[in-house]
Amino acid sequence: DAGITQSPRHKVTETGTPVTLRCHQTENHRYMYWYRQDPGHGLRLIHYSYGVKDTDKGEVSDGYSVSRSKTEDFLLTLESATSSQTSVYFCATTHREGGNEQFFGPGTRLTVL
Amino acid sequence: GESVGLHLPTLSVQEGDNSIINCAYSNSASDYFIWYKQESGKGPQFIIDIRSNMDKRQGQRVTVLLNKTVKHLSLQIAATQPGDSAVYFCAFTRGNTPLVFGKGTRLSVIA
Repeated sequence: DAGITQSPRHKVTETGTPVTLRCHQTENHRYMYWYRQDPGHGLRLIHYSYGVKDTDKGEVSDGYSVSRSKTEDFLLTLESATSSQTSVYFCATTHREGGNEQFFGPGTRLTVL
Repeated sequence: GESVGLHLPTLSVQEGDNSIINCAYSNSASDYFIWYKQESGKGPQFIIDIRSNMDKRQGQRVTVLLNKTVKHLSLQIAATQPGDSAVYFCAFTRGNTPLVFGKGTRLSVIA
């Protein structure tokens, strides 16, 4: 397995509270991604990063922000969590974008009450 | 584990039989395709990939077939084992754009 960890692994929070999920990699991969996974939707891209301080929006970016101050860390923030953001969140990395394998972390289950 | 596949199409296969999982893609310009396996409670794991200049690629017990004419991708698993039970996702991309994932198929192996 690629050295990708996510924290926390499980979180329950209340509507309106801020939440930050962390992805940490030890592979020195340039590209990092945040996905959410929901029944019937598969994996949907939230945001991705193509280098330190370089990020871009994905398919479902509304309500989420990201930051990447170091190669190894990619943070996903829900500024004000809503129940529709209850999901399983996966981080992924790759050393090269596009035609190249992505490695996934173990996931974070987030429940917003 | 996470219940991420409640409404997925399901393929049930007898142990020892071959499995074929299918995927259709919409963008005819897609040039890279990949299959992932996701077990309950875990992140997706790479199985095999193929580029658009190929029609077939084989790995250990797995074969990916690409039919660009009808924009169809398939994953064949030989001699299916109980450990193959999982959700399988196809993904595709064009150039340097991020991967787009299909919705997945659940493979259930009957012992």
